[in-house]
Amino acid sequence: GAVVSQHPSRVICKSGTSVKIECRSLDFQATTMFWYRQFPKQSLMLMATSNEGSKATYEQGVEKDKFLINHASLTLSTLTVTSAHPEDSSFYICSASSGAANTEAFFGQGTRLTVV
Amino acid sequence: AQSVTQLGSHVSVSEGALVLLRCNYSSSVPPYLFWYVQYPNQGLQLLLKYTSAATLVKGINGFEAEFKKSETSFHLTKPSAHMSDAAEYFCAVTPNQAGTALIFGKGTTLSVSS
Repeated sequence: GAVVSQHPSRVICKSGTSVKIECRSLDFQATTMFWYRQFPKQSLMLMATSNEGSKATYEQGVEKDKFLINHASLTLSTLTVTSAHPEDSSFYICSASSGAANTEAFFGQGTRLTVV
Repeated sequence: AQSVTQLGSHVSVSEGALVLLRCNYSSSVPPYLFWYVQYPNQGLQLLLKYTSAATLVKGINGFEAEFKKSETSFHLTKPSAHMSDAAEYFCAVTPNQAGTALIFGKGTTLSVSS
């Protein structure tokens, strides 16, 4: 299957700082990327959908000013958690899709964010 | 709207026993259905997917699932559990459309005892 690389795998930051998480499709062009958040022992909740070159579409309840998503190229999307607080600590996972029919989205390895 | 219900948040089996993880879906359009496995602090690994071809889908690591439209089910099975199968399993659905996000079930933790 296709490879999606997410970086960093773990990050610890202080409250009030911002953290950027990168999601790259290594061997295909990702017209659409998805960002999910997973709380401990819970399911993945979709945060936003981003299409290359356009603004991300956020799910209800997700603060777009806090979780900045950029999808400037067909191989890279970034999620920036701004002014992070301990309640933002979570596991964040991206997935990328080429948008072609009958294809699935491929997932990154996830990023464990801890805000102290 | 689409949704997925995984019955049983925790399933325990003995090594060598049958594994059955249940998933029921709700969809107003023909769905694509997936099963993923997740190990602690890792991303998701695709086990298998149903995309409107054969209703019995075989995946990796000996897992398979059968799409039953009449029962709106997509249960995951494996004839003989291994210790290495202990993990979190997620069923997911998406409409038969490109560029659409997956909707995940709440997950089932599989424990395997020796």
